[in-house]
Amino acid sequence: NAGVMQNPRHLVRRRGQEARLRCSPMKGHSHVYWYRQLPEEGLKFMVYLQKENIIDESGMPKERFSAEFPKEGPSILRIQQVVRGDSAAYFCASSPSVNTEAFFGQGTRLTVV
Amino acid sequence: KNEVEQSPQNLTAQEGEFITINCSYSVGISALHWLQQHPGGGIVSLFMLSSGKKKHGRLIATINIQEKHSSLHITASHPRDSAVYICAVTPHPRETSGSRLTFGEGTQLTVNP
Repeated sequence: NAGVMQNPRHLVRRRGQEARLRCSPMKGHSHVYWYRQLPEEGLKFMVYLQKENIIDESGMPKERFSAEFPKEGPSILRIQQVVRGDSAAYFCASSPSVNTEAFFGQGTRLTVV
Repeated sequence: KNEVEQSPQNLTAQEGEFITINCSYSVGISALHWLQQHPGGGIVSLFMLSSGKKKHGRLIATINIQEKHSSLHITASHPRDSAVYICAVTPHPRETSGSRLTFGEGTQLTVNP
């Protein structure tokens, strides 16, 4: 049973480009969470999704950021028109249901140049 | 004030020493998690607990629900234990919280040979 898979592991984008981060949850997990870790800061919640639904996006910046978890395929975190302040590690976690242990992926390290 | 506070922020120990990292939280929780993060690496879940004590190898985690406090202990510490240890909580179930985590700032542990 493969763990949570995130790709790419490292992503470099120029200012103004789009970044697409992918997360494939563990088999049988239908709950996906995205977290961001800014340099020298702790992890912060961004968005919680179940299949085809955004449940809680209270941690997402209002502009340029969007997330989806389609019926088929991985969850995608999309950042449009990236700026230097978006440089961070983005972690995905998945869980099989509510109030169960969440398992983390290796993260995607986004660098905006 | 953060909902989850850890101490100390940084900890340096000699190989073989007994190590304690503390975590206090100010919200009602359904579970508390201890996570480990190596530099540039992913996040590994060490423990998820809601009461009492758990042990895994040289690691021990305790929680006191009444005092809203948890400790992570490492016995016979080793240089390979050097990492950031993160305390996180799952707040009490709400309609949209799922298993989303609220994190402490982390404790950077360095174990010298």
